[in-house]
Amino acid sequence: DAGVIQSPRHEVTEMGQEVTLRCKPISGHDYLFWYRQTMMRGLELLIYFNNNVPIDDSGMPEDRFSAKMPNASFSTLKIQPSEPRDSAVYFCASSLEETVWASTDTQYFGPGTRLTVL
Amino acid sequence: AQSVTQLGSHVSVSEGALVLLRCNYSSSVPPYLFWYVQYPNQGLQLLLKYTSAATLVKGINGFEAEFKKSETSFHLTKPSAHMSDAAEYFCAVTLSGNTPLVFGKGTRLSVIA
Repeated sequence: DAGVIQSPRHEVTEMGQEVTLRCKPISGHDYLFWYRQTMMRGLELLIYFNNNVPIDDSGMPEDRFSAKMPNASFSTLKIQPSEPRDSAVYFCASSLEETVWASTDTQYFGPGTRLTVL
Repeated sequence: AQSVTQLGSHVSVSEGALVLLRCNYSSSVPPYLFWYVQYPNQGLQLLLKYTSAATLVKGINGFEAEFKKSETSFHLTKPSAHMSDAAEYFCAVTLSGNTPLVFGKGTRLSVIA
C-alpha cells in the first residue's frame, strides 16, 4: 500500500486566498484525522471522520476552516480566506475500525502539507 | 481529559550513549500510550505503543518504553544512540484505539558524533 497520500506537499499563498489540502487515506481505513502542527502549539487535532461522517470538529479553529470527506478514499481541508497565522504543517492520518488490541498500529500519518501564507 | 507532558524540548546525547526521553501522562482511566518519531520533513511514524498488555514495550529501531502506573510515566529508552536516531519524538495518549491522539509538545533528539 502507498500509505496516506497528501497533496500538495508544499503550498505558498497570499493572505486572503483559498487553500485546499487533500488527503487519500489507506484503502480500507474507516477513520480519517486532520492534524495541524506549529511551533507554538505542537500537534493539534482539527477534525476526524468515521465512515466519511465528521465525528468531532471541535478542533477546527474558526469558520474559515472546513473539511469534507465525500467518499472513503478522499478528504479535503479548506481554508477560506487564508491568514498568515494559518501557516503550519497539516497532517492527515487514517486508521482501521478495529480495537487497538488487534492492530499493530493505530494511526498512519501522511507526509504532511507545509502551508505558508504570506 | 487526558494529556501528556514531555520533559525537555531538546535532548542531546553522544553516539553510543543511552537515550532517555521522558513522558508523563494524565488520564482518568487506563490510557493507551504511544511514541512517534518524526524525521525532518516527514510525517510521523509509530515507534511503539502500550495497550495494557506487557508494561515493557519494545518498538522499532531498538527503542523500548516502560509503562509505570505509579509514576504515570511512559519514558522512551534506547541503550545506544545512533546518528540516525536524530529526530523529533512525540509521546501521545488516547483512551481507545480509534479516537484522536493527544500529543505532547515533542522532544528533539540530537546525536553527537
